[in-house]
Amino acid sequence: QSALTQPASVSGSPGQSITISCTGTSSDVGGYTYVSWYQQHPGKAPKLIIYDVTNRPSGVSNRFSGSKSGNTASLTISGLQAEDEADYYCSSYTSGSTYVFGTGTKVTVL
Amino acid sequence: QVQLQESGPGLVKPSETLSLTCTVSGGSISSYYWSWIRQPPGKGLEWIGYIYYSGSTNYNPSLKSRVTMSVDTSKNQFSLKLSSVTAADTAVYSCAREQLAYFDYWGQGTLVTVSS
Repeated sequence: QSALTQPASVSGSPGQSITISCTGTSSDVGGYTYVSWYQQHPGKAPKLIIYDVTNRPSGVSNRFSGSKSGNTASLTISGLQAEDEADYYCSSYTSGSTYVFGTGTKVTVL
Repeated sequence: QVQLQESGPGLVKPSETLSLTCTVSGGSISSYYWSWIRQPPGKGLEWIGYIYYSGSTNYNPSLKSRVTMSVDTSKNQFSLKLSSVTAADTAVYSCAREQLAYFDYWGQGTLVTVSS
């Protein structure tokens, strides 16, 4: 199974909105509503921020939102804040009953 | 609050077997799937595989021939064995709880270096 494709880096100014894409195939992203997103600060464990494409766990800011169209899922961060600077990974369930992660995106707040 | 803690050797010699254990506290290991995920230094996340509390498993096809997972419900622990390791297996290894196709609780991770 190949890693899902994400842009290596995305940047934005405080207050702006940014979107991170996550492209897979019909055997993973396109075939299921089981896409999740994780935020990882340096030296820390990943933190779940979106599950089942659009759902936010309790306690996660509503500035984070998810969507999906075909084989591509997206994470949007609105009202960008300095604390959002981190690495972001998508993940999808696959037809083999396995999981695959995205290549990861470094978000920089200018 | 569920907590996960990885334990095991931080240094493994090439061609030997990497062995790690994840201890779950604050909740029961029963009725959940439990995964191992690794991250080479400076690189992205890679799912290694999962084990159900009953013992059923599923592994990443790219690692399947070298991976074995087991569970000990009496100790609230599950384990990972990765055989025939090379330098490419050097990574931070983390355990995580799977909740219906997403990972909601993670351990802090433990760095395993493969070197002679």
